[in-house]
Parts: sequence; C-alpha cells; structure tokens
Amino acid sequence: EAGVVQSPRYKIIEKKQPVAFWCNPISGHNTLYWYLQNLGQGPELLIRYENEEAVDDSQLPKDRFSAERLKGVDSTLKIQPAELGDSAVYLCASSLGGLAGANTGELFFGEGSRLTVL
Amino acid sequence: AQTVTQSQPEMSVQEAETVTLSCTYDTSENNYYLFWYKQPPSRQMILVIRQEAYKQQNATENRFSVNFQKAAKSFSLKISDSQLGDTAMYFCASDGGSNYKLTFGKGTLLTVNP
Repeated sequence: EAGVVQSPRYKIIEKKQPVAFWCNPISGHNTLYWYLQNLGQGPELLIRYENEEAVDDSQLPKDRFSAERLKGVDSTLKIQPAELGDSAVYLCASSLGGLAGANTGELFFGEGSRLTVL
Repeated sequence: AQTVTQSQPEMSVQEAETVTLSCTYDTSENNYYLFWYKQPPSRQMILVIRQEAYKQQNATENRFSVNFQKAAKSFSLKISDSQLGDTAMYFCASDGGSNYKLTFGKGTLLTVNP
C-alpha cells in the first residue's frame, strides 16, 4: 500500500516568489493535514481537511497561505509571496477520520517538503 | 490549549542498553490518546507506540514500552536493547481528546552509539 506522497521534496526560492506543495494521502483516508515543522521543533498544524472541507484552518496565515483539496483526495498548499521566515519543512499527513473506533488518532506522514527561502 | 513538553533536547545511549525519554502534557479531557512518533534523519515520521488514556495498562510494542501516569500527566518512552536504527528525533504527542488534532512536543534527539 502506498504511503502519503509529497512533492517536491526540496524547493529553493527567492523571497516574494510563490511556491506550491502537493500531497496525495493514503487511499481511503478522509482526513488530510498540513503541518509546519521548523528546524528543531515539533510539527504545528496549519490546516485540516475532512474530505474536501477545511474544518480547522485557524493557524493558517491566510494573508499569504492558501490550501485546497477540491475533490477530497489530493491537496495543494500554496505560499504567495514567500518570506524568509517561511523556510521550514511542510508535512502532509492523513488519517482515517470518521467515527470513533475507525480513527484511533494515528496520523500517517509523508516525507515532507523542505522549503528554503533566500 | 493543550501543551506537550519534552524536557530532554538530546540524549544518547550505548547500543543494547536501555533509555527512557520523558514527556509531560496538559489537557482537561478525561479520555484522549498519547503517541510517540519517530523521525529518522531526512525520513518520514512514523508511529512508535500509542496509549489510550482510559486504559490503565501501559502499552508495549516489542522493545518499546511506555510508563503512563495519568494523574501526573506523564508519558515516558522506554527503549530496551537500543539499536543503531533507533537513532532519530522522537516526538511525544497528544490529541487532547479531539481524536483528530495532535499537539507535538519539541522532540528529543536520540543517538545510539556503537
């Protein structure tokens, strides 16, 4: 079974440029997450989707960040324009979601997209 | 807001020995999940072990076990017979009863020395 797939693995851009990250979750996983991981820190939630609906985007900086999951499967996270402080690893994760018992809270992570803003 | 605290930024252990990583958390919920995730260098994060708060018995997965102290809100990870492949960042996480939103600690970098 394929895991969570993210691309690109690495991206280097200059500040003020746009950048986009793509994520394909595990087949059948209704819930998709984007996490931000700064160097030496634990992941912090940016946005959570249940199918195509963003149900928790309270920590997404909406002035420059946007995300979509149009068909409830794969998702794109965009930053425009990028700032120096956006340099980090962007992690995508998925889980079963749905009824208690089906979702034990375990998240399955992709390898992440490492962004460097110069 | 829930918090998860890992007070050991770095630890090291000799191969085949035992090491314990500490974690404390804060939540007002009575039932919740706790997790330890492992993140090897430049590789994806994977689940090591999970504990349900309403279960008094400590979870065990092969060489990995936890010491869950609910009243003290403590959740430590014990790795027995440490192997070189255990070298990684270890993150403690709690869902705070939400069943979907994990809050992570800052992590402990564990190095297993030959």
